[in-house]
Amino acid sequence: LAKTTQPISMDSYEGQEVNITCSHNNIATNDYITWYQQFPSQGPRFIIQGYKTKVTNEVASLFIPADRKSSTLSLPRVSLSDTAVYYCLVGDVYSNYQLIWGAGTKLIIKP
Amino acid sequence: GAGVSQSPSNKVTEKGKDVELRCDPISGHTALYWYRQSLGQGLEFLIYFQGNSAPDKSGLPSDRFSAERTGGSVSTLTIQRTQQEDSAVYLCASSLSWGASGGSSTDTQYFGPGTRLTVL
Repeated sequence: LAKTTQPISMDSYEGQEVNITCSHNNIATNDYITWYQQFPSQGPRFIIQGYKTKVTNEVASLFIPADRKSSTLSLPRVSLSDTAVYYCLVGDVYSNYQLIWGAGTKLIIKP
Repeated sequence: GAGVSQSPSNKVTEKGKDVELRCDPISGHTALYWYRQSLGQGLEFLIYFQGNSAPDKSGLPSDRFSAERTGGSVSTLTIQRTQQEDSAVYLCASSLSWGASGGSSTDTQYFGPGTRLTVL
């Protein structure tokens, strides 16, 4: 099962771009990479998903190098409301019936 | 449309009692997931349903835990003879499909608000 490693915490300031990197050295060929955001007392919420290269949506970008052993979530011009825990999830529940979530990165945005 | 709902939102019980936690997935979602999250910790995967079937129950913490899903919709997580270490938030999620190799956008999980279980 693909395991992920993320920084435990990060700080940044409003208006800055924040990049959170996730390592997943044993990612399988068929695995997608998905990022979720979790606010206190809420369930996680989907942010973005990708397989390779770059994916962009209205809230974030996801950069995946050719070897796919890592991925970087990029949040442009963060605000205080982006303070949350961010999880990188790699895996395919359909082939191994399990999903391993990492500990997540606690992102704190300061004014 | 309606999201994933869970009930009760909070449950306080005494050690040794049985509890049932309910999850109503998004209508039409065939996959359903149960997780446990202890205070300040990440998500612990418990079990996953493809329709009404759970392919692998090894993620359940002990044989006191069981889960079922009926009619391809509602799921119940039952904890028998609760212990204090069972105290946590139990999260349910659903996704549109299952069986897609390697995952796809249809695998996006939508989470409910969770049930906070406190065992005294």
